[in-house]
Amino acid sequence: NAGVTQTPKFQVLKTGQSMTLQCAQDMNHEYMSWYRQDPGMGLRLIHYSVGAGITDQGEVPNGYNVSRSTTEDFPLRLLSAAPSQTSVYFCASSPPQGAPGVQFFGPGTRLTVL
Amino acid sequence: GDSVTQMEGPVTLSEEACLTINCTYTATGYPSLFWYVQYPGEGLQLLLKATKADDKGSNKGFEATYRKETTSFHLEKGSVQVSDSAVYFCALSDRVGSQFYFGTGTSLTVIP
Repeated sequence: NAGVTQTPKFQVLKTGQSMTLQCAQDMNHEYMSWYRQDPGMGLRLIHYSVGAGITDQGEVPNGYNVSRSTTEDFPLRLLSAAPSQTSVYFCASSPPQGAPGVQFFGPGTRLTVL
Repeated sequence: GDSVTQMEGPVTLSEEACLTINCTYTATGYPSLFWYVQYPGEGLQLLLKATKADDKGSNKGFEATYRKETTSFHLEKGSVQVSDSAVYFCALSDRVGSQFYFGTGTSLTVIP
């Protein structure tokens, strides 16, 4: 098992550019989520999905879109990048109910918006 | 709403010293509680968990007890090693595991 994979590892964008952060898991987990990590603020939930075709907003969803067409993939789209979106982004997945809260994290994408 | 508050760092300890990182929570129901660890340049990994009151989670010499009366889940280790240097996050999730809340993280550096 590769676990949770994220691409790219590093990305530099200019203000106004768009891009998609990729996330995939091969553990057949239903729950997937995106977080951003900023100094002194811990992890903040951007969007999450409880299964294919179902997504919902987290604490800081503005400026981001997600979709979940398959169980394996959960891409995060930045529509028009802003310097405030400079952060480290983590994707995570969880197994079905029975082990709530046990999340498996990807290695992260470090994004800089100039 | 639900939330987690953990002690601010950074924390610097000498090898073999005792560690306590405080964590308290606010929750409307009966959450599960977790400690995650993040080593430099990596994603978070589950360190230990407790799913009900008075449960004790343990792993790699770390322990934490789910205290409902004080709404706390403090992380402890009796003798830290240099390899324990990392950022530690306290977290909770609701019973169905659809919402997760993380603390701000506590950076620990252990010096030889």
